[in-house]
Amino acid sequence: RKEVEQDPGPFNVPEGATVAFNCTYSNSASQSFFWYRQDCRKEPKLLMSVYSSGNEDGRFTAQLNRASQYISLLIRDSKLSDSATYLCVVTPSGTYKYIFGTGTRLKVLA
Amino acid sequence: DTGVSQDPRHKITKRGQNVTFRCDPISEHNRLYWYRQTLGQGPEFLTYFQNEAQLEKSRLLSDRFSAERPKGSFSTLEIQRTEQGDSAMYLCASSLEGAQFFGPGTRLTVL
Repeated sequence: RKEVEQDPGPFNVPEGATVAFNCTYSNSASQSFFWYRQDCRKEPKLLMSVYSSGNEDGRFTAQLNRASQYISLLIRDSKLSDSATYLCVVTPSGTYKYIFGTGTRLKVLA
Repeated sequence: DTGVSQDPRHKITKRGQNVTFRCDPISEHNRLYWYRQTLGQGPEFLTYFQNEAQLEKSRLLSDRFSAERPKGSFSTLEIQRTEQGDSAMYLCASSLEGAQFFGPGTRLTVL
């Protein structure tokens, strides 16, 4: 089983739609969680950290479910500029390295 | 620009040659990381430095790979006797505490 798993997509959604991605992780002792965004042939850029209580940043909401070992990202009112690959990141306990999922591709259509 | 920088941005080499990449982290960041990314995959961890000390290395990092951060500032990643399977994007990231910030990467093509 992979340490971090994501549905690769693509998710094709119309502008204005709400879309959600999930990411599951296998190490129950994982301590930090993030969502990164990556545009084609560019570097990953931090979208948001994921906190135990859940957190929101504008149109983006992240949730952590430790019992079921998954994190989620909700995007409301999708924009064309949201089209990208969204990478789920987990940091195992006792290390600073990132474990990335394969990413979920999102295409927002006009 | 005070972000992470990497040099070169692109490198094409022939199989069997040695290559070296450089990463300049954000100036106050004491932690530096190298990752490798191939098409359709997320980045894979290679190695981690805290200041000048290399504290963690992936089992993916064969003996042909070596990384240094001699003064705790910039870092170099060297690949000896390159193979076609080494073709990938090599990403550097740095952090102080919390989230990592990535450089633009060095795209390596081994012919």
